[in-house]
Amino acid sequence: NAGVTQTPKFRILKIGQSMTLQCAQDMNHNYMYWYRQDPGMGLKLIYYSVGAGITDKGEVPNGYNVSRSTTEDFPLRLELAAPSQTSVYFCASSYSLEGPYGYTFGSGTRLTVV
Amino acid sequence: AQKVTQAQTEISVVEKEDVTLDCVYETRDTTYYLFWYKQPPSGELVFLIRRNSFDEQNEISGRYSWNFQKSTSSFNFTITASQVVDSAVYFCALSEDGYGNKLVFGAGTILRVKS
Repeated sequence: NAGVTQTPKFRILKIGQSMTLQCAQDMNHNYMYWYRQDPGMGLKLIYYSVGAGITDKGEVPNGYNVSRSTTEDFPLRLELAAPSQTSVYFCASSYSLEGPYGYTFGSGTRLTVV
Repeated sequence: AQKVTQAQTEISVVEKEDVTLDCVYETRDTTYYLFWYKQPPSGELVFLIRRNSFDEQNEISGRYSWNFQKSTSSFNFTITASQVVDSAVYFCALSEDGYGNKLVFGAGTILRVKS
């Protein structure tokens, strides 16, 4: 099915370890995003991209890095994981022009840093 | 900067009751989009509605209805005859650009529907 695919679904990291959360979409969407959702909270934007080769910071970018080498993929890199990065991470995509459905979200990655 | 406020942290109702979830937003833009998403216990985010700032008509979809009032910067969501399956966290969101991109989310309202 078309949509946004995130891997892995769950991960436990030790403090100081690094990892990459993968995100891929097959809808040819220009915009892609990474959000984090802390327990009992709304979603906060980490990074976003308006197209291949273009990325920009969101509200909470510290401790993360992204790249967008293709339209389809938008990986999120955590360097030196900290307990404060324990969260659920959602990747999403959208058109830059008006479309019928707005965002499409992935199913999320639940990350625990211990 | 854009801001979305969902003042109701948690609401509990009994099945078949009507319930309204409040959403108040702040923006300086004249063109923007508003959204509602549902997050059931399984955790995925389910798109419910997107509304353009130029369209203030109320919308009804089955048991769901939305009331958009620019005069009060509100975009409230009503569930009629609630069901247990409506139990979820509901998020209101506002786009940071005029095309519906870069969403800013409210903190969410937990809705518990008891049988």
